[in-house]
Amino acid sequence: EADIYQTPRYLVIGTGKKITLECSQTMGHDKMYWYQQDPGMELHLIHYSYGVNSTEKGDLSSESTVSRIRTEHFPLTLESARPSHTSQYLCASSLRTDNTEAFFGQGTRLTVV
Amino acid sequence: KNQVEQSPQSLIILEGKNCTLQCNYTVSPFSNLRWYKQDTGRGPVSLTIMTFSENTKSNGRYTATLDADTKQSSLHITASQLSDSASYICVVSDRGSTLGRLYFGRGTQLTVWP
Repeated sequence: EADIYQTPRYLVIGTGKKITLECSQTMGHDKMYWYQQDPGMELHLIHYSYGVNSTEKGDLSSESTVSRIRTEHFPLTLESARPSHTSQYLCASSLRTDNTEAFFGQGTRLTVV
Repeated sequence: KNQVEQSPQSLIILEGKNCTLQCNYTVSPFSNLRWYKQDTGRGPVSLTIMTFSENTKSNGRYTATLDADTKQSSLHITASQLSDSASYICVVSDRGSTLGRLYFGRGTQLTVWP
């Protein structure tokens, strides 16, 4: 079982609130990713990091921000939640080298009302 | 445009039967292809990963094949069980970018009936 954890698993929050989704891994992986997934749809990359102090935006435009102050921690923040942010958010990590497995967290199901 | 297409979109089979899921991709340059199993409301879990030189890989009752020339892959599930009900996602990684970008298919939703 992968050592990558996301909290909370479920979150219902009102419009305009600031939220932070937590992601931590204990495998020492350099690469970490945030994906957004709507029901029945593919995963879309919204942020990624190669290592500490490295963050990049992904393919899908997102109003969220991320930080990577420690190797094991990659939190995602929404400054002002909107109903359009309702989705499942998945965090993943992998070693820096190619052809290695990417491990996913259990996901955070966010609902903005 | 790098894409991953999966078929069928959904599939219902009876417990104990075999099934095969398909994946076609246009990702280039190709690095590796992975199959993931995703239970409802949970994160994907890796089943297999294959590089260019591998054309088959097994993981228990799961057997994946890869034809890098035709850019096709299949996932064969043998003697299906109720716990196999899930979405099966084909993921292709490119080469030549430091990220090793992952391209995801939409998945095949498999339902196994008793």
